[in-house]
Amino acid sequence: AQSVTQLGSHVSVSEGALVLLRCNYSSSVPPYLFWYVQYPNQGLQLLLKYTTGATLVKGINGFEAEFKKSETSFHLTKPSAHMSDAAEYFCAVSLTNSGYSTLTFGKGTMLLVSP
Amino acid sequence: SQTIHQWPATLVQPVGSPLSLECTVEGTSNPNLYWYRQAAGRGLQLLFYSVGIGQISSEVPQNLSASRPQDRQFILSSKKLLLSDSGFYLCAWNRLDSYEQYFGPGTRLTVT
Repeated sequence: AQSVTQLGSHVSVSEGALVLLRCNYSSSVPPYLFWYVQYPNQGLQLLLKYTTGATLVKGINGFEAEFKKSETSFHLTKPSAHMSDAAEYFCAVSLTNSGYSTLTFGKGTMLLVSP
Repeated sequence: SQTIHQWPATLVQPVGSPLSLECTVEGTSNPNLYWYRQAAGRGLQLLFYSVGIGQISSEVPQNLSASRPQDRQFILSSKKLLLSDSGFYLCAWNRLDSYEQYFGPGTRLTVT
């Protein structure tokens, strides 16, 4: 079985400060990992993904994440927060079977950005 | 490019009434399709997925059902809604050869 743990249901930062959202996973097979962002009353938008290859993955809106197998982590970072980054962020791990994949999501972290 | 639509955007229904939510995908063929429910503070729960017309797999036993009458159409239904069915329902799709899923705008369902 696979699972995702996101540490902190809420994270508060000041505009311009570093953003760090934590995600740890458990998986019995090499994982595929994702970060999604959700703005109020909207669907989820894919920020970035790790499948194979380079462990530092760059995504949209200046976000990046690093896959660390030894730590079973996939933390999301952004050097400088903008007010527009305020949203809920979800980490997910993929379980792949022949022909389809299902995603297991963490419970989400709400990012609050203050001026 | 591919787009995914859901309707209605919002819905208020009394307990015991039926439900039908629709999801359609444009710009691709033979997608995998998924229904999720998002309840406050509980993350996303996978309800159903489909790998083809008429092929539905259920992840959670409940009073909801899903159907896929056409290749790019996915419908979520209930004969009698419960208060606990309230939530934000999201449809998603992906290609057979990819892992990431793409989400629709969602339907906010309130059961009163």
